[in-house]
Amino acid sequence: EVQLMESGGGLVQRGGSLRLSCAASGFAFSTYWIHWVRQVPGKGLVWVSRINSDGTTTSYADSVKGRFTISRDNAKNMVYLQMSSLTAEDSAVYYCVRCRVGAYYMDVWGKGTTVTVSS
Amino acid sequence: QSVLTQPPSVSAAPGQKVTISCSGSSSDIGNNYVSWYQQFPGTAPKLLIYDNNKLPSGIPDRFSGSKSGTSATLGITGVQTGDEADYYCETWNGTRSGTHVILGGGTKLTVL
Repeated sequence: EVQLMESGGGLVQRGGSLRLSCAASGFAFSTYWIHWVRQVPGKGLVWVSRINSDGTTTSYADSVKGRFTISRDNAKNMVYLQMSSLTAEDSAVYYCVRCRVGAYYMDVWGKGTTVTVSS
Repeated sequence: QSVLTQPPSVSAAPGQKVTISCSGSSSDIGNNYVSWYQQFPGTAPKLLIYDNNKLPSGIPDRFSGSKSGTSATLGITGVQTGDEADYYCETWNGTRSGTHVILGGGTKLTVL
């Protein structure tokens, strides 16, 4: 079964750091880009970051650039999102999503992990 | 980054047709494919339409997508109560700093 499973969410203080993980299974992981998309409950989806299939290029939303770092370990079928200098505005459900190389759509989403930044 | 413009809400009676618009610019929708996602409360989004008008396996052909210029449209015919959900459009925008994904603000479909 094709699956993405996020973990690492939780409660963190403002200014703190957190690392989210995304474990992939059931597909050829190294042939997919991976994105992180977040959503404040009751609000819309917001794209956060993406990494290409071999980890050599990354991209970030302006709101997280310089604070978040995306990385991947293809040997372990894992993607990470290192988040630092967190603010209340970073509180959201974070989804890990795959995108096939050469495609322009995200076809498999994880169930999400919740990050809450306390002020 | 810019956000694609969608109406906050639309409504339709069961059996009717409804359309949801998504407006962008020449640098995003005008130059890239559009995808649509369906999200029910408390669950992850699901791919509904890709490459402007293609349906993933398992998506009924009551759903359709189209694109013209800098706008895209999601159509649902024979609306059912089970279609009541949030719908998001999505495309890409290439910038000097790298290719970004852009999402619409979402549209809540209410089935009357």
